[in-house]
Amino acid sequence: DGGITQSPKYLFRKEGQNVTLSCEQNLNHDAMYWYRQDPGQGLRLIYYSQIVNDFQKGDIAEGYSVSREKKESFPLTVTSAQKNPTAFYLCASTHTGFNSPLHFGNGTRLTVT
Amino acid sequence: AQSVTQPDIHITVSEGASLELRCNYSYGATPYLFWYVQSPGQGLQLLLKYFSGDTLVQGIKGFEAEFKRSQSSFNLRKPSVHWSDAAEYFCAVGGSNDYKLSFGAGTTVTVRA
Repeated sequence: DGGITQSPKYLFRKEGQNVTLSCEQNLNHDAMYWYRQDPGQGLRLIYYSQIVNDFQKGDIAEGYSVSREKKESFPLTVTSAQKNPTAFYLCASTHTGFNSPLHFGNGTRLTVT
Repeated sequence: AQSVTQPDIHITVSEGASLELRCNYSYGATPYLFWYVQSPGQGLQLLLKYFSGDTLVQGIKGFEAEFKRSQSSFNLRKPSVHWSDAAEYFCAVGGSNDYKLSFGAGTTVTVRA
């Protein structure tokens, strides 16, 4: 079955360490997205990529970095510069042309102490 | 700038009763509108979407939503709620040339027996 795989489901890190969250899709989607979810704030866009080797900052990109070297993969690195990294992170993908809705992975819950 | 407001943070409804979740959006052009549902610790699943045409759209799980341009609203309804409908619901808005969705803060639905 096609879908989006985020791993791991739970991730724990010490403050000051960088951490990379994995997102892989086998839906042959062109566009991929990273959202951060905090209680009571909905989803906020971190980064998105419409094609391989290209990506754009979303609304809250500071302290995060991404790469898009392959169509099916869009890893997110939470750097030590991110002031409040503990959150639920969701990866999504879609065909470009925007008649296609977003498909979401099951998320990674990151806890930084 | 685009934005979504979901005025109700939490709604409690009895099983078998009707449900209506409110969504108001702000978008400068013709909006594409979506409703997603999220179970705890999971990703988001698309319930329904509106792009154009009939302003009353049907979705999965017996949900429907009505687009009212004059009121900038896209309210979600279900005639008879089941216990399995307990979840968090998100409204989102985007556009035909805009690959970024903006999400509301979400409404949590509790279903009592």
